[in-house]
Amino acid sequence: GAVVSQHPSRVICKSGTSVKIECRSLDFQATTMFWYRQFPKQSLMLMATSNEGSKATYEQGVEKDKFLINHASLTLSTLTVTSAHPEDSSFYICSARGVRGAQAEAFFGQGTRLTVV
Amino acid sequence: AQSVTQLGSHVSVSEGALVLLRCNYSSSVPPYLFWYVQYPNQGLQLLLKYTSAATLVKGINGFEAEFKKSETSFHLTKPSAHMSDAAEYFCAVSLNTGFQKLVFGTGTRLLVSP
Repeated sequence: GAVVSQHPSRVICKSGTSVKIECRSLDFQATTMFWYRQFPKQSLMLMATSNEGSKATYEQGVEKDKFLINHASLTLSTLTVTSAHPEDSSFYICSARGVRGAQAEAFFGQGTRLTVV
Repeated sequence: AQSVTQLGSHVSVSEGALVLLRCNYSSSVPPYLFWYVQYPNQGLQLLLKYTSAATLVKGINGFEAEFKKSETSFHLTKPSAHMSDAAEYFCAVSLNTGFQKLVFGTGTRLLVSP
């Protein structure tokens, strides 16, 4: 399958700082990228969907000003957690879908473990 | 709204034994159902998907799952476990024809002992 690379895999930051997570499709062009969040022992929850060149669509309850998503190219999307607080500590995972339409499989990155201290 | 329940956060089997990972879904319309596997430090990999064609779906690595509408279930099975099957398994549901807005279960960790 196609490769999606997520960086960093782990990050620890101080409360009040911002953290950027990158999601790259390495061998295909991703028209759509999805960002998920997973709390311990809970499901992956979809946070937002972004289409290249467009503003991201956020799920209900997700603060768009806190979780800034940029999808400026067909191979890169970034999630920035602004003014992070301990409650933002979680596992963040992206997935990317290529240009072959809605039936195209979405491939997942390996995730980023964010710890805010 | 659709949801997925995975029974058992951990399942332990011996190598060569049957693997059965349970998934029940809730959906007001015919769902699309998926099983993903996650190996340590890797992304989720699609094992198989059900999209309203055959109710018995065969996936990679010898896994298969059967869609049972009457039981609202989509359990994952493999006749004979291998050590390399040890991983986290996620069931997911989507109302869309594609892979958008997947709703995941909490995952089941499969442990395989020699």
